[in-house]
Amino acid sequence: QVQLVQSGAEVKKPGSSVKVSCKASGGTFSSYAISWVRQAPGQGLEWMGGIVHMSGTANYAQKFQGRLTITADESTSTAYMELSSLRSEDTALYYCARQEVVPRSFYYSYMDVWGKGTTVTVSS
Amino acid sequence: QSALTQPASVSGSPGQSITISCTGTSSDVGYYNLVSWYQHHPGKAPKLMIYEVTKRPSGVSHRFSGSKSGNTASLTISGLQAEDEADYYCCSYVDSSTSLVVFGGGTKLTVL
Repeated sequence: QVQLVQSGAEVKKPGSSVKVSCKASGGTFSSYAISWVRQAPGQGLEWMGGIVHMSGTANYAQKFQGRLTITADESTSTAYMELSSLRSEDTALYYCARQEVVPRSFYYSYMDVWGKGTTVTVSS
Repeated sequence: QSALTQPASVSGSPGQSITISCTGTSSDVGYYNLVSWYQHHPGKAPKLMIYEVTKRPSGVSHRFSGSKSGNTASLTISGLQAEDEADYYCCSYVDSSTSLVVFGGGTKLTVL
């Protein structure tokens, strides 16, 4: 059974960075990406970016360019999301998800397996 | 890239059918058959209900179906049940410099 297990809740100061992990187990990820989606309080879901397993290429939503780094450690089947220069608006529940990538085109498709989420609170 | 447009809320009585629309553009919903739908209970992990516009993952009830016409995708839930009450989000691949994936704003489904 495919699972994504995320690291625990974080409380950070404005201006600092946070790094959240997402460990995959129990299935194949060769034709997938691991993507990060967040939900701020009272808001909807927002795709932040993803890293494609096959190529190791990371793609980011422009909104997070320069502040977001997504990496993966194949040896431990773990993906990481690091967000820097945190501000109060980054307070949210952060999810990782396995996202299908269409072969050859590398279009991001559906997200079929999700982690349970990691709460990140940014407060002085 | 702006979020896909969904109604903020819909409601229906048990046994009825409802449809949630998701309007995008010719750069996302209208061009790619990569629309997916998620059921979300706040604080829990979203659940994939429909992918590639019309396909239903194993284990998802046949009461859920998806379709698309032009730039608008739709999720229909037939035979509403109390357990269907949740937030629903559509999602699409997008050919844009601002993002590769865009979500709708979400629709709150209330079962009366």
